Amino acid sequence: ILNVEQSPQSLHVQEGDSTNFTCSFPSSNFYALHWYRWETAKSPEALFVMTLNGDEKKKGRISATLNTKEGYSYLYIKGSQPEDSATYLCAALGGADGLTFGKGTHLIIQP
Amino acid sequence: DTAVSQTPKYLVTQMGNDKSIKCEQNLGHDTMYWYKQDSKKFLKIMFSYNNKELIINETVPNRFSPKSPDKAHLNLHINSLELGDSAVYFCASSKLATSTDTQYFGPGTRLTVL
Repeated sequence: ILNVEQSPQSLHVQEGDSTNFTCSFPSSNFYALHWYRWETAKSPEALFVMTLNGDEKKKGRISATLNTKEGYSYLYIKGSQPEDSATYLCAALGGADGLTFGKGTHLIIQP
Repeated sequence: DTAVSQTPKYLVTQMGNDKSIKCEQNLGHDTMYWYKQDSKKFLKIMFSYNNKELIINETVPNRFSPKSPDKAHLNLHINSLELGDSAVYFCASSKLATSTDTQYFGPGTRLTVL
């Protein structure tokens, strides 16, 4: 089982500002990295799946990058809006054991 | 239409009872999962089934028994419930059992053992 760490644990951002947070994982035995957005009282919703070193994915104002050699991924949100408030989970896959999730970064956008 | 559904949404029961949580997906996926969200809010994989066959079985007590009657369903039966089983249980599915496949989660079942 991989050890997946996310930082910071929580983050307060002013509406309109851009922000980013980190997911780190062991770089050996890496298969894929997933990002999920999880709003309170809802199901985790998939944002991105990345597998290759240097991968960059984008969905609207949200983007992510992957560095498999050093074992980290960044999630960026440009021009934060109140609806971006959620917990952002990353999960790494290291083979037959399934996804290992981090604890998440709890993002609060302040109007 | 809900893609991945779970019933019940809330389950309150006494210690020692046996209970089941049902999961259904209408996405035509081949792979289904059960996760437990523990007290520290981590999501941890419990089981994974691909085409009704068990492919991942993490270290969980054998009081937990998954059953997959068909590809669209993966139910979780728990015998002799204990206080420590209180948690939120999430079902998920993906098209294939590969690392690159997005997983789609159900709404969760909050189990409280008294």
